[in-house]
Amino acid sequence: DIVLSQSPATLSVTPGDSVSLSCRASQSISNNLHWYQQKSHESPRLLIKYASQSISGIPSRFSGSGSGTDFTLSINSVEAEDFGMYFCQQSNSWPHTFGGGTKLEIK
Amino acid sequence: QVQLKESGPGLVAPSQSLSITCTVSGFSLTNYGVYWVRQPPGKGLEWLGVIWAGGSTNYNSALMSRLSISKDNSKSQVFLKMHSLQIDDTAMYYCARALYGSGLDYWGQGTTLTVSS
Repeated sequence: DIVLSQSPATLSVTPGDSVSLSCRASQSISNNLHWYQQKSHESPRLLIKYASQSISGIPSRFSGSGSGTDFTLSINSVEAEDFGMYFCQQSNSWPHTFGGGTKLEIK
Repeated sequence: QVQLKESGPGLVAPSQSLSITCTVSGFSLTNYGVYWVRQPPGKGLEWLGVIWAGGSTNYNSALMSRLSISKDNSKSQVFLKMHSLQIDDTAMYYCARALYGSGLDYWGQGTTLTVSS
């Protein structure tokens, strides 16, 4: 199985900061990597697909980059509504594993 | 609009079986796949399996012997069945929509399953 390692586990930031979240795959997955946001007691929400493709309705401050084994989700100027968990998922090979998540919290 | 809604038993005893139904609206199961994902309390997401538009399935190999996914296109319903339930199957169970290989663009609200005697 492909293992996705997300770092850091927790990121404490102040609204207005810009941040980068990392997702590293145990083997190359091309660009078959997707990012989700999950707020407390809510279902996950798709933010970015295929590493860098934007999703309709998602604010433009969210962007993704990377290919192969190293991927980054960037948030330009974090807002209060952005705090929560962020997960990456690969769809390159079965099973379609998720990363362990990064918690974005208010400093 | 696109919606998915899970419904399940809530509480099941260890060693018993469960069936969870995902009822969809706003799209056809003949055009999209439906994934099942679960999340134990306070933990991350675990991919369980998927049923594709054409009816083929893929399963998490760790659960494959206990899991089956089927659907009824005419009723817009997808079914997750799991047997020999264990305490650590306690989780929120989600269904979500996807095109092949793409991200999961719509999710249900989830249904809580507790395995306890």
